[in-house]
Amino acid sequence: GAVVSQHPSRVICKSGTSVKIECRSLDFQATTMFWYRQFPKQSLMLMATSNEGSKATYEQGVEKDKFLINHASLTLSTLTVTSAHPEDSSFYICSAHIAGEDYSEQYFGPGTRLTVT
Amino acid sequence: GQNIDQPTEMTATEGAIVQINCTYQTSGFNGLFWYQQHAGEAPTFLSYNVLDGLEEKGRFSSFLSRSKGYSYLLLKELQMKDSASYLCAVMDSNYQLIWGAGTKLIIKP
Repeated sequence: GAVVSQHPSRVICKSGTSVKIECRSLDFQATTMFWYRQFPKQSLMLMATSNEGSKATYEQGVEKDKFLINHASLTLSTLTVTSAHPEDSSFYICSAHIAGEDYSEQYFGPGTRLTVT
Repeated sequence: GQNIDQPTEMTATEGAIVQINCTYQTSGFNGLFWYQQHAGEAPTFLSYNVLDGLEEKGRFSSFLSRSKGYSYLLLKELQMKDSASYLCAVMDSNYQLIWGAGTKLIIKP
């Protein structure tokens, strides 16, 4: 099946610094990539939808100036958490979506655990 | 390597019961999640199991056996709106999520 990778898998940073998370579709080109965050034992929360070459669409309540998304190519999207605070500590998951005339599939990355100290 | 297996597709009848199995082989275990995903929508959380046994939530129940590397999601009193994909995911020792490919459940009247 299709593979989506994320890097880094785990990161610890100091409060006030910025962290960049990469999401790559390894063997296919994704028309759309999604970014989620997940708190322990809770559902995935959609943060934003990213289409290659255009601005990301953010969900209500998600600060676009804090969570910068760049979707430079059909295989790479990045999420940058700017001026991170301890409350930003969470599990961030990306997924890549491909669709055709009669199919629609979404593949999830393994996630990135961010800890802000 | 790490692996999650679940059936690709299942068909069931409205009002009936269906069991979706998930077997896993991972480096360590920090819990197993089940998600429901309707086409074109984000997945929604259904259950989390970290201890052996059955967790019941209304029409949905999830079972885990860590010694067997096995879980199932049980859906009772099936409704047409239950037609969706059901994703099994295991969190490994590095707190990485290993995802199954999903089981597409088709409900027939």
